[in-house]
Amino acid sequence: DTAVSQTPKYLVTQMGNDKSIKCEQNLGHDTMYWYKQDSKKFLKIMFSYNNKELIINETVPNRFSPKSPDKAHLNLHINSLELGDSAVYFCASSHTGTVSSGNTIYFGEGSWLTVV
Amino acid sequence: GESVGLHLPTLSVQEGDNSIINCAYSNSASDYFIWYKQESGKGPQFIIDIRSNMDKRQGQRVTVLLNKTVKHLSLQIAATQPGDSAVYFCAENVGGGADGLTFGKGTHLIIQP
Repeated sequence: DTAVSQTPKYLVTQMGNDKSIKCEQNLGHDTMYWYKQDSKKFLKIMFSYNNKELIINETVPNRFSPKSPDKAHLNLHINSLELGDSAVYFCASSHTGTVSSGNTIYFGEGSWLTVV
Repeated sequence: GESVGLHLPTLSVQEGDNSIINCAYSNSASDYFIWYKQESGKGPQFIIDIRSNMDKRQGQRVTVLLNKTVKHLSLQIAATQPGDSAVYFCAENVGGGADGLTFGKGTHLIIQP
């Protein structure tokens, strides 16, 4: 069973469109994250979210918004897509609290977004 | 700027040799470090971690060394195998809540037959 799963794996869309990437985790974690990996493989956190707190990386445009219907899901909505949004987006999860040994972050397989 | 970085973007080693991947960090408040392995087309996978109150931790064929004096982290992989080919990332966390991890730029490890 996949611990952190995200769909779709590949998404090609035109500029200006609105799209969503879904994420689900079955690890019983209560904190979830979205990371963006650019063409140079650099991974950068976009959001972290649990049922009490949303932490937003200030560099993320407000066209990006996380939506969590329950603690096992954190979907990423992107409005008015731009060419520069093309990247791989990774969902991840952990238990709430300090990330530490025994409470590390587990990643999904990634969603490849291409904006044309 | 980024607080975690790597010395070498690509490392090529012969199969069976040992490999060492290095990482420098600048945030002295970081108290937890992780090495992740990312294979082509997949997400980062946890390899090994270390807390700041330790200087060495061993796993199966992997060892992580932490030198807080010079803010340096390394991952040693013994007897490399073709399956070790991947991009390796070091990551750090300064603690204090759901603030995730800060990643370095990654080193591409290539295993030559």
